[in-house]
Amino acid sequence: AQKITQTQPGMFVQEKEAVTLDCTYDTSDPSYGLFWYKQPSSGEMIFLIYQGSYDQQNATEGRYSLNFQKARKSANLVISASQLGDSAMYFCAMRGEQAGTALIFGKGTTLSVSS
Amino acid sequence: NAGVTQTPKFQVLKTGQSMTLQCAQDMNHEYMSWYRQDPGMGLRLIHYSVGAGITDQGEVPNGYNVSRSTTEDFPLRLLSAAPSQTSVYFCASRSSGLQNTEAFFGQGTRLTVV
Repeated sequence: AQKITQTQPGMFVQEKEAVTLDCTYDTSDPSYGLFWYKQPSSGEMIFLIYQGSYDQQNATEGRYSLNFQKARKSANLVISASQLGDSAMYFCAMRGEQAGTALIFGKGTTLSVSS
Repeated sequence: NAGVTQTPKFQVLKTGQSMTLQCAQDMNHEYMSWYRQDPGMGLRLIHYSVGAGITDQGEVPNGYNVSRSTTEDFPLRLLSAAPSQTSVYFCASRSSGLQNTEAFFGQGTRLTVV
């Protein structure tokens, strides 16, 4: 069965510093996709970045990058130059093994950015 | 663009009452799903659908029913509300076109069962 594990319930970082949010996954499917979402205190779910299992390079989107280590089954989110607006809950998710299966989510990490 | 629309945004139910959470999307997405979010538990999948007329159970389906009569709509029914169903509910949709397409979420429904 698929599983997403986020072991950091909370992380604290100062403005302008980089921070890494951990995500490990388990799947028997050789073709899979990994997603990161941000949920600010207002509650909406905001898509950040995607990494496919066959992608040769780590995904990047602006200040977000994904440190994808396939052999270790990890897909850590790196946020560079943190901003106060980055304070939020962050979820790692995986596409289901069966076609059309919904995303499977980890329990999330709360990031707090201070000035 | 409306995207994914959930109604209502807030609801208080008494134990034993039934209700339907509405979800509609205007992106012609084949895949739709319902999640519940509880503190410390992340988003847990309740039910999902790969197209009109096809639904399947997720991780926590007990106490909930779904149907998918159209591509646009995917309502979630609580048959007999229990305090354990107090949660925030999210509906999401995805396109089947590309594997890397993200899920789009509604704004959520905060449900309290007393």
